[in-house]
Amino acid sequence: GQNIDQPTEMTATEGAIVQINCTYQTSGFNGLFWYQQHAGEAPTFLSYNVLDGLEEKGRFSSFLSRSKGYSYLLLKELQMKDSASYLCAVSNDYKLSFGAGTTVTVRA
Amino acid sequence: NAGVTQTPKFRVLKTGQSMTLLCAQDMNHEYMYWYRQDPGMGLRLIHYSVGEGTTAKGEVPDGYNVSRLKKQNFLLGLESAAPSQTSVYFCASSTGQGNQPQHFGDGTRLSIL
Repeated sequence: GQNIDQPTEMTATEGAIVQINCTYQTSGFNGLFWYQQHAGEAPTFLSYNVLDGLEEKGRFSSFLSRSKGYSYLLLKELQMKDSASYLCAVSNDYKLSFGAGTTVTVRA
Repeated sequence: NAGVTQTPKFRVLKTGQSMTLLCAQDMNHEYMYWYRQDPGMGLRLIHYSVGEGTTAKGEVPDGYNVSRLKKQNFLLGLESAAPSQTSVYFCASSTGQGNQPQHFGDGTRLSIL
């Protein structure tokens, strides 16, 4: 079975940093993806981790610990346009299992 | 630069009606997927295909059928729609390689009355 947990909602101030945690217990693991989804739109790819450690991409970073079944997405220098849902997804072979998503609201 | 295109974007059906959702991709991807997204539940895999002429069941396949007659198209059918199938449906495609992301269409918002 697949169990992927992430917080439902988070609120932060423009310019601040927010960390979205994701814990997983899955029957297989080939990597972990993070997607961003604005309301009413398609999910878009943000990051991919397959090895332990931190992957940095501009204002966004993602971390993975396979032994702990844990990942986080770090959003720095928050902007209003970062208000969206962030989806954690575990890859097993060529299929993805998604968490329910974390809605981030950025306040001015 | 179309990527993944879904039609229609919105549809309202009555219980018992049938319909087909169309997904087309222009990236020459082998793998295609159909998901449904419901509040608080995240994306759930309905059916998927690893190549032209092949389909397989995902996590929530009941009440749906699919076909992949051409590599670029993946059709999702509802034979007899039920209110429980009210959802937002997303199609995605990928190369199938582990480190490559799935690319999603804009979704179809389906309401069953």
